[in-house]
Amino acid sequence: AQSVTQLGSHVSVSEGALVLLRCNYSSSVPPYLFWYVQYPNQGLQLLLKYTSAATLVKGINGFEAEFKKSETSFHLTKPSAHMSDAAEYFCAVRNQAGTALIFGKGTTLSVSS
Amino acid sequence: DTEVTQTPKHLVMGMTNKKSLKCEQHMGHRAMYWYKQKAKKPPELMFVYSYEKLSINESVPSRFSPECPNSSLLNLHLHALQPEDSALYLCASSQRQGTSPLHFGNGTRLTVT
Repeated sequence: AQSVTQLGSHVSVSEGALVLLRCNYSSSVPPYLFWYVQYPNQGLQLLLKYTSAATLVKGINGFEAEFKKSETSFHLTKPSAHMSDAAEYFCAVRNQAGTALIFGKGTTLSVSS
Repeated sequence: DTEVTQTPKHLVMGMTNKKSLKCEQHMGHRAMYWYKQKAKKPPELMFVYSYEKLSINESVPSRFSPECPNSSLLNLHLHALQPEDSALYLCASSQRQGTSPLHFGNGTRLTVT
């Protein structure tokens, strides 16, 4: 069965520092992977997706993620954090039936000035 | 701005009330989803509609009753809820079931008293 594990429920960085949010997946088939962001009192917004094309995926707001099959990872990075990046981030994988998304437990990103 | 519109934004209801949550999208998507999200938790799938037919029911209690009147609208009828049903209810849509990405609304914050 498909699943994702997000390492670290809370990540704190300084403004301008590198952001690294970790996600490892388990999948019996080539995975479809996603990163979503959720700001307070809002729904989820798609940051980027991996669908077996390029292994380095660029998303919105300067985020990118690299699919590494050998490490079963899909970590999210941003070179320079901004205060507005503070939010909850969810990694997700499409289930084996291809009918729905399975979300990780989420990582809260805090950005300090 | 989100392309999936949910109303109301907030709802407080007693355990004997009947209320409905509404979701609307005009992107021509033929799959629509209801998710439930408790505080500091990932979204949990409740129902999936594909071409206006119920495709997935994740063993949700019968006090939650979904309805898809047409391809643009999705309702969630609520009756005899429990306080533990208090949560953020998110609606999402996608072009077809299982295709990416999911587009989320901003949710309805439900409080059951």
